[in-house]
Amino acid sequence: NAGVMQNPRHLVRRRGQEARLRCSPMKGHSHVYWYRQLPEEGLKFMVYLQKENIIDESGMPKERFSAEFPKEGPSILRIQQVVRGDSAAYFCASSLNSGTENSPLHFGNGTRLTVT
Amino acid sequence: AQTVTQSQPEMSVQEAETVTLSCTYDTSENNYYLFWYKQPPSRQMILVIRQEAYKQQNATENRFSVNFQKAAKSFSLKISDSQLGDTAMYFCAFMMANAGTYKYIFGTGTRLKVLA
Repeated sequence: NAGVMQNPRHLVRRRGQEARLRCSPMKGHSHVYWYRQLPEEGLKFMVYLQKENIIDESGMPKERFSAEFPKEGPSILRIQQVVRGDSAAYFCASSLNSGTENSPLHFGNGTRLTVT
Repeated sequence: AQTVTQSQPEMSVQEAETVTLSCTYDTSENNYYLFWYKQPPSRQMILVIRQEAYKQQNATENRFSVNFQKAAKSFSLKISDSQLGDTAMYFCAFMMANAGTYKYIFGTGTRLKVLA
């Protein structure tokens, strides 16, 4: 059973370009979470999605950032007009939570975004 | 609002010795889950151990065990017979369910260094 797959592993963008980060959750998982991590810091929650729905986007900047988890295909975190401050590691995690089972988060390997 | 506090930014331990990492949390909920994650230099987030709040028995996984004190809202991680490979950042996490959604909150992490 493949784990959470994130790609690309590394992404370099110039200021003003768009960054698209992809995340395929573990098979059967319908809950996806995105976190951001700056060097030497902890995980900062960004957004929580279920299939086709954004459940909680309280951690995501109102401008330039968007996320989706379509019915088919991976979850996408999109950052428009990137700035140097967007440079960070972005982690995706998924879980199999349901009414009868609660599960931990399973993390991908992260995408390291560098804005030059 | 729920919060998770890890009061030890950095710790070190001699190889083969025992170390305890502290974690406290704040919640008014009665049913929730607690986790410890490890992030080695590879940056991969690895689940170490989990605890259901309704279980009084402390969880153990080989050399890793927890001391869960529900009344005190404390969830410390004990690593016995520390190994060099235990060197990592350790994150405590809290999860609660609410109407079909699942919220995970992470502490700021403790950096553990195992010394040879």
